[in-house]
Amino acid sequence: GAVVSQHPSWVICKSGTSVKIECRSLDFQATTMFWYRQFPKQSLMLMATSNEGSKATYEQGVEKDKFLINHASLTLSTLTVTSAHPEDSSFYICSANTGRGGWNTQYFGPGTRLTVL
Amino acid sequence: AQSVTQLDSQVPVFEEAPVELRCNYSSSVSVYLFWYVQYPNQGLQLLLKYLSGSTLVKGINGFEAEFNKSQTSFHLRKPSVHISDTAEYFCAVSWPGRNQGGKLIFGQGTELSVKP
Repeated sequence: GAVVSQHPSWVICKSGTSVKIECRSLDFQATTMFWYRQFPKQSLMLMATSNEGSKATYEQGVEKDKFLINHASLTLSTLTVTSAHPEDSSFYICSANTGRGGWNTQYFGPGTRLTVL
Repeated sequence: AQSVTQLDSQVPVFEEAPVELRCNYSSSVSVYLFWYVQYPNQGLQLLLKYLSGSTLVKGINGFEAEFNKSQTSFHLRKPSVHISDTAEYFCAVSWPGRNQGGKLIFGQGTELSVKP
C-alpha cells in the first residue's frame, strides 16, 4: 500500500516550453503533497507544499509563477514548469502524506528527470 | 529553525562489515526523525522512523537507528552490509504541529558504497 506514482518518469524539452509533471497517490487519499527538487549528488530541497483545494505554499526562493502547482483532487497534484530553461533541469520528486502510521509519514514518488535543452 | 547534518558524505565499506551512518539534528522543539534510502534515479524509500517511545528503532533491510536526545543524534546502523545496500541515504526531521503539514527537512545525504 501507499504507492505514489509520477508521470512522466523523464522528459526532454526545448527552452521556453512548459512541462507538466503529475503526481498521483494510487491507493490512498493524500490531503497534502510535497514537491522537491534534487540536483545531482545533492539533497532534496522542498519547493512547495500542496494541499487539496487550496493554494500551494512555496518555500522561500521558489518562484510561484515559474513552478505552478495544482492539487485538484485528493489523489492528484501537478507541477508545471513554465517557460523552462536549462537551469531548471533537475530531478523532481513528489511525496504524499497519508495520515497513516503517524500523520507525518510521507511516501515518495519515483521522480521525474527534466532536461531542458 | 530545524536542521539536519549528515557528517559523512561518503562511506566506503566492505561487504559483510558493519556500518554506521551519522546524523545530527538541531531543533528547539520535539522532532520526528527518519532515514530514507535512494537508489540511482529513483525516489526515496522509508527505512525507519522515530516518532516516540523506544529510542532504538528497527527498520527494513536489517537497518536500525538509535535516537539520542542528549546528543541530538539519530545514527543509522547495520551489522553486516550487502552489495545491494549501495545507495544514497538521507536523514530527515519533521516536527509535530498540524500547521506545518508534515514538512521534512533533509540532511545532505551519505553515499554508502559497499565493496566486495
